[in-house]
Amino acid sequence: QKEVEQNSGPLSVPEGAIASLNCTYSDRGSQSFFWYRQYSGKSPELIMSIYSNGDKEDGRFTAQLNKASQYVSLLIRDSQPSDSATYLCAVNIWGADGLTFGKGTHLIIHP
Amino acid sequence: KAGVTQTPRYLIKTRGQQVTLSCSPISGHRSVSWYQQTPGQGLQFLFEYFSETQRNKGNFPGRFSGRQFSNSRSEMNVSTLELGDSALYLCASSLGTPNQPQHFGDGTRLSIL
Repeated sequence: QKEVEQNSGPLSVPEGAIASLNCTYSDRGSQSFFWYRQYSGKSPELIMSIYSNGDKEDGRFTAQLNKASQYVSLLIRDSQPSDSATYLCAVNIWGADGLTFGKGTHLIIHP
Repeated sequence: KAGVTQTPRYLIKTRGQQVTLSCSPISGHRSVSWYQQTPGQGLQFLFEYFSETQRNKGNFPGRFSGRQFSNSRSEMNVSTLELGDSALYLCASSLGTPNQPQHFGDGTRLSIL
């Protein structure tokens, strides 16, 4: 059974600092990796997708993938209070089943 | 471009009843997936429809079913509702080809009394 593990937090980060969120997955066949942000009472919103080993940057966000270590991370630079949310890591094997989600990390950006 | 639209936003039902939820995907998206989100279990995959066919299925009982229409709109049905079915039901659409991300609707909050 595929598993995706995340530290539930809360992870408290000062405003302006770098927030680092981590995720590990169990199935070596996983091919696609996604980070979603979910505000309380709202639905998940896609932040980043990554498919190859290495780093992918989009604005203040950087996703990192290491398939050998089965590890995905999300870095948020210059953290803002509006980044306070739950961040969900999701993995997928094409053609197998849907996205498998971690339980999410609750991130708090404090002034 | 309009996002994924789910209706209704809120539903209150009693045990034993059945319910139908609706999802309209982003224009051009042919894949619709359904997820259940609860505080204890998190987000869990129910099933995926692509071109009116169920392509993948999660580990949920047969009381949970769905269908997709020729315009890619999808419905999910839950029969013989149980208290444990209280959850946020999320629909996500994508192009349906490899490595395409899924985009979620606002969800339907189902409460079972």
